[in-house]
Amino acid sequence: SQTIHQWPATLVQPVGSPLSLECTVEGTSNPNLYWYRQAAGRGLQLLFYSVGIGQISSEVPQNLSASRPQDRQFILSSKKLLLSDSGFYLCAWRARGTVTPLHFGNGTRLTVT
Amino acid sequence: AQSVTQLGSHVSVSEGALVLLRCNYSSSVPPYLFWYVQYPNQGLQLLLKYTSAATLVKGINGFEAEFKKSETSFHLTKPSAHMSDAAEYFCAVSYNSGGYQKVTFGTGTKLQVIP
Repeated sequence: SQTIHQWPATLVQPVGSPLSLECTVEGTSNPNLYWYRQAAGRGLQLLFYSVGIGQISSEVPQNLSASRPQDRQFILSSKKLLLSDSGFYLCAWRARGTVTPLHFGNGTRLTVT
Repeated sequence: AQSVTQLGSHVSVSEGALVLLRCNYSSSVPPYLFWYVQYPNQGLQLLLKYTSAATLVKGINGFEAEFKKSETSFHLTKPSAHMSDAAEYFCAVSYNSGGYQKVTFGTGTKLQVIP
């Protein structure tokens, strides 16, 4: 069966520090990968998605970047965190095909102080 | 772009009462619709999905949803609420945009179950 791992679960970082969140998927090949951010009362905002190694699409301009160095690895990064980067970050994968559902990791709660 | 609207950011029901969470979609083509549930500090879990095979879709934990094209709705229901149903629920639509598969979520409805 397929599983998705996301870490760390919680993170407290000072403003201006770098960020690296990692997500890996097991049990499937060539998945579509996604990073979402969830802010209170605002639902889920799609940040990045990837359809293959090295292929990253950004949905909104921001202080963050994403990379996919391996087929089942997706990394969210920042060189300098802002207070507004605080939130709940969710990684997700889905198999190819329009009707396939997203499968989410357990999320990372990021607090920028 | 396709979108979904969830009416009511908070819904409260008594234990044992009917649960009804509303979702309306906006789509120019037949949509693929999903309902997800999120418990505190966890990721989202798929409850059910509509892919045009049947208008009444049954999901996990006793939930079901009915696709009504005439009303552009995909409301989530459960006949009898349990305390364990207290969570946030998200409606979502999947569509193809520029050759990429995208998913747009509603803003969520928090369900409170009162004992």
